[in-house]
Amino acid sequence: AQSVTQLDSQVPVFEEAPVELRCNYSSSVSVYLFWYVQYPNQGLQLLLKYLSGSTLVESINGFEAEFNKSQTSFHLRKPSVHISDTAEYFCAVSSTVQFYFGTGTSLTVIP
Amino acid sequence: KAGVTQTPRYLIKTRGQQVTLSCSPISGHRSVSWYQQTPGQGLQFLFEYFSETQRNKGNFPGRFSGRQFSNSRSEMNVSTLELGDSALYLCASSLDGQGAYNEQFFGPGTRLTVL
Repeated sequence: AQSVTQLDSQVPVFEEAPVELRCNYSSSVSVYLFWYVQYPNQGLQLLLKYLSGSTLVESINGFEAEFNKSQTSFHLRKPSVHISDTAEYFCAVSSTVQFYFGTGTSLTVIP
Repeated sequence: KAGVTQTPRYLIKTRGQQVTLSCSPISGHRSVSWYQQTPGQGLQFLFEYFSETQRNKGNFPGRFSGRQFSNSRSEMNVSTLELGDSALYLCASSLDGQGAYNEQFFGPGTRLTVL
């Protein structure tokens, strides 16, 4: 079975500062990794995913995540956050059968 | 192409009642998954339906059930509601099912409050 741990439930950060949201997973098989974002009163939207190939993946709005197999991590980073990045972020792992989600990290960007 | 729609968006029920939630997937998607989202618990997988058959099931009591119709629309039902069932229920659709190459698209959710 797989599981996902998001170590920080809440992350406050000042606007234009860098941020890292941490995600660790456990799995006995090869997995695929995802970050989803949830804005208030909305469903989840896919932010980025790692399937294979380059371990560094990027989203169109400046976020990036790096797959680290030895540390079983998939941390999400952004060098400079905006107010509009305030949202809930979920890390997820998938085998070929099912998705497993972390408990989420609430990112609050402070003006 | 229209996204995943869920109805109703908000629902208030009392303990002991039952409730039915509806999900219409993206056109052409045959897999529908349901999740329960609560603060501190994140998303908990309820079940997945593919071609009108329940293919995967999470660890929820039998009070939670679902079905899928021939047009891929899905409903989930919760009987004998408990206070702890208050949550955001999310539906996600994908082309062929769960897994990396079948990206899940989420609806806005139904907020269920049990009084």
